[in-house]
Amino acid sequence: GIQVEQSPPDLILQEGANSTLRCNFSDSVNNLQWFHQNPWGQLINLFYIPSGTKQNGRLSATTVATERYSLLYISSSQTTDSGVYFCAVATGANSKLTFGKGITLSVRP
Amino acid sequence: DSGVTQTPKHLITATGQRVTLRCSPRSGDLSVYWYQQSLDQGLQFLIQYYNGEERAKGNILERFSAQQFPDLHSELNLSSLELGDSALYFCASSVDLTPANTGELFFGEGSRLTVL
Repeated sequence: GIQVEQSPPDLILQEGANSTLRCNFSDSVNNLQWFHQNPWGQLINLFYIPSGTKQNGRLSATTVATERYSLLYISSSQTTDSGVYFCAVATGANSKLTFGKGITLSVRP
Repeated sequence: DSGVTQTPKHLITATGQRVTLRCSPRSGDLSVYWYQQSLDQGLQFLIQYYNGEERAKGNILERFSAQQFPDLHSELNLSSLELGDSALYFCASSVDLTPANTGELFFGEGSRLTVL
């Protein structure tokens, strides 16, 4: 099946800093989503982005499908951004989402 | 609020017991997915139903079963529970753009199962 690798595995930021989270995948995809899992365990949809660029407030994401990677940008980070960020992908042959292992982000005040 | 409702939120039970987790998808979504999140295995796909029919199966144990009812809600049944079944169980739903492309998945808040 498709492989999803996220990097870095852990990230510690000072409040106000910017960061880039990366997701590499091993096959062409027709679905790519970024999620934030907060400390209470909730999975919150950030972006549905199989290709192109989207922005939502301080967050933006870019997927370059031909090169099989996606980037999530967090600007002016806040303590509430802490948690685990997951990238999940699906291929045309199998509609289920396969998740990466996640990136644990800690934003210090 | 994603629009996907899961009950119960927390469940504590003993080994050997059986539990049922319930999921109501977003209004209009025909597909329901079940995922398991454990510390050592990460987020694993269990099973998908589309409009009452099983569509895809993942790493679901034989002790586990699921179904989707005519009103589109789904239930995940876990039996002969073991300590290792302790996990967060998520339900998700999607509108299904095409049979091979689900579109965006929306997740419920999860059911946290603890087996003692």
